[in-house]
Amino acid sequence: ETGVTQSPTHLIKTRGQQVTLRCSSQSGHNTVSWYQQALGQGPQFIFQYYREEENGRGNFPPRFSGLQFPNYSSELNVNALELDDSALYLCASSLVGASSTDTQYFGPGTRLTVL
Amino acid sequence: QQQVKQSPQSLIVQKGGISIINCAYENTAFDYFPWYQQFPGKGPALLIAIRPDVSEKKEGRFTISFNKSAKQFSLHIMDSQPGDSATYFCAASDTGTASKLTFGTGTRLQVTL
Repeated sequence: ETGVTQSPTHLIKTRGQQVTLRCSSQSGHNTVSWYQQALGQGPQFIFQYYREEENGRGNFPPRFSGLQFPNYSSELNVNALELDDSALYLCASSLVGASSTDTQYFGPGTRLTVL
Repeated sequence: QQQVKQSPQSLIVQKGGISIINCAYENTAFDYFPWYQQFPGKGPALLIAIRPDVSEKKEGRFTISFNKSAKQFSLHIMDSQPGDSATYFCAASDTGTASKLTFGTGTRLQVTL
């Protein structure tokens, strides 16, 4: 186990609704990255948060937004849900800084289904 | 634009055999190359990783071979076991850009008895 936790484990929403996913990073880590993994595909980078600021973003529209809190936990918010947003959402924590190893440790994911 | 190409898409290997998965990348700024193992319903778990300053790294039954000039790297699983049956992803990142991981499309490995 990586020590990265995510909630909820599963979620069903309807098109047009909004959703918030949560992630607690591994102890000692200061950075959280979010990825979207569609069925049968590799994870796609959404964005990363470092010191409560967005620190890099992938090719996702602005309706995907996030937050990082002082305890380094994070939220992913998706507005105006679309059917194609159905996927496994993964959170990965890492340590960025003088002791950085670049290793990202993934949580178990949240399975989002949009009907 | 797919920056990391992975092959094969699926692989069947007999128990005790060698599993080989290959990846190729385009972005010469990539300087960190991890491999992840993912079981159904679980998040990816880091197996082994390499940087471009070495051509090979071995950890137990898992070996990464890296060819910087060809922009290719591969994962070798020696003495493959049924418990190794999972999906394997190669990835790459440029550690100068927030360590965003770019993943390959995955290889579904099945190890038969």
